Amino acid sequence: EVQVLESGGGLVQPGGSLRLSCAASGFTFSSYAMSWVRQAPGKGLEWVSVISGSGGSTYYADSVKGRFTISRDNSKNTLDLQMNSLRVEDTGVYYCAKLYSYGGGSFDYWGQGTLVTVSS
Amino acid sequence: EIVLTQSPGTLSLSPGERATLSCRASQSVSSSYLAWYQQKPGQAPRLFIYGASIRATGIPDRFSGSGSGTDFTLTISRLEPEDFAVYYCQQYGSSRWTFGQGTKVEI
Repeated sequence: EVQVLESGGGLVQPGGSLRLSCAASGFTFSSYAMSWVRQAPGKGLEWVSVISGSGGSTYYADSVKGRFTISRDNSKNTLDLQMNSLRVEDTGVYYCAKLYSYGGGSFDYWGQGTLVTVSS
Repeated sequence: EIVLTQSPGTLSLSPGERATLSCRASQSVSSSYLAWYQQKPGQAPRLFIYGASIRATGIPDRFSGSGSGTDFTLTISRLEPEDFAVYYCQQYGSSRWTFGQGTKVEI
């Protein structure tokens, strides 16, 4: 059974840093690109970042480029998101999601999310 | 960046009725790269449709997707109580992923 489980959320002041992690199981982790998608309270979904299966390619939304860094450890089946220079507008639930190989850029498995609150 | 606009924002219907949700793109989207998700309160999104018209595993056949170019549609032929939720469309292109703002299907 495919499972992805996020951790690391919490309360942080504007300008601060936070590192999110996602533990994956039930599939060959290194064969799949992985992503972070976030959702501000009461709002819609916003794509944040994607990393290829090997980790050699990374992509970011303009809203986080230069502040967030996605990485993965295929030996541990983990995905990370290092978030620096956090802003109030970065507040929301952050989901780890697996890209579907046959789904043309769709996300077929999602974690339950971890809440990040940026506030003074 | 391709912007996806969903309409209506809210759809008020009764069980057994037909629901038609629209997703319009600011530029042409390959049908292979258009997906639909369902999200219920407090839950993660769930993939329902990919490739514009292909149902994901376990999705009942009352859900169907169609469209091409800039106009895509998700149709629920007969609403069941468990179908009342928010639906998002999503596209992929040029190493960018974007979501529509969502359509809430309510009773």
